[in-house]
Amino acid sequence: QVQLVQSGADVKKAGASVKVSCKASGYTFTDRYIHWVRQAPGQGLEWMGWIKPYSGGTNSAQKFRGRVTMTRDTSISTVYMELNRLSSDDTAVYYCARDLLGEDDAFDMWGQGTMVTVSS
Amino acid sequence: DIQMTQSPSTLSASVGDRVTITCRASQTISSWLAWYQQKPGKAPKLLIYKASSLESGVPSRFSGSGSGTEFTLTISSLQPDDVATYHCQQYDRYPYTFGQGTKLEIK
Repeated sequence: QVQLVQSGADVKKAGASVKVSCKASGYTFTDRYIHWVRQAPGQGLEWMGWIKPYSGGTNSAQKFRGRVTMTRDTSISTVYMELNRLSSDDTAVYYCARDLLGEDDAFDMWGQGTMVTVSS
Repeated sequence: DIQMTQSPSTLSASVGDRVTITCRASQTISSWLAWYQQKPGKAPKLLIYKASSLESGVPSRFSGSGSGTEFTLTISSLQPDDVATYHCQQYDRYPYTFGQGTKLEIK
């Protein structure tokens, strides 16, 4: 079946970087954009950006530009999201999500989420 | 950025009730709106896309309507399994943005 499986929870110090992985299965990996969305404790959802697995092209929200890097490894159907210069405000659950119809659409499949805790 | 405002923030209703949640966009987004259901500790689940299209496998008691700046999610007959937080999302323009969520409880 179609699924996105993310890496496990992580704890980082302020100023460090974190890299979260998202492994896709059950569909053609290069056919659909993968988005990253985060949710701080008790808060709403925040879109961070997308990666186009076919080409590796990316687009990120202005808020995260210069601090987020999204990459992919097509040989293992996995995308990665690395966030640098972490602060306590980055403590959140990070989700990867698949685009419904390929690109610029709603998100029809989500990973289980990765809790990232940033401590000072 | 486009602001998405949901109302109400919390909603308490009885099993069998008709429930409506509203989402308003700060500028027109045509029909590029989705609704998600999120249960505690779980990832969001897509219910409705393009304002009124029902995602495959979602019960028909869920429906969406609206265009431009005003949208609604309706549950025709509330079931105990519908207890969750509901989020709207616009995907007309970057950055994609979400509403703050509506927490739905059973009376």
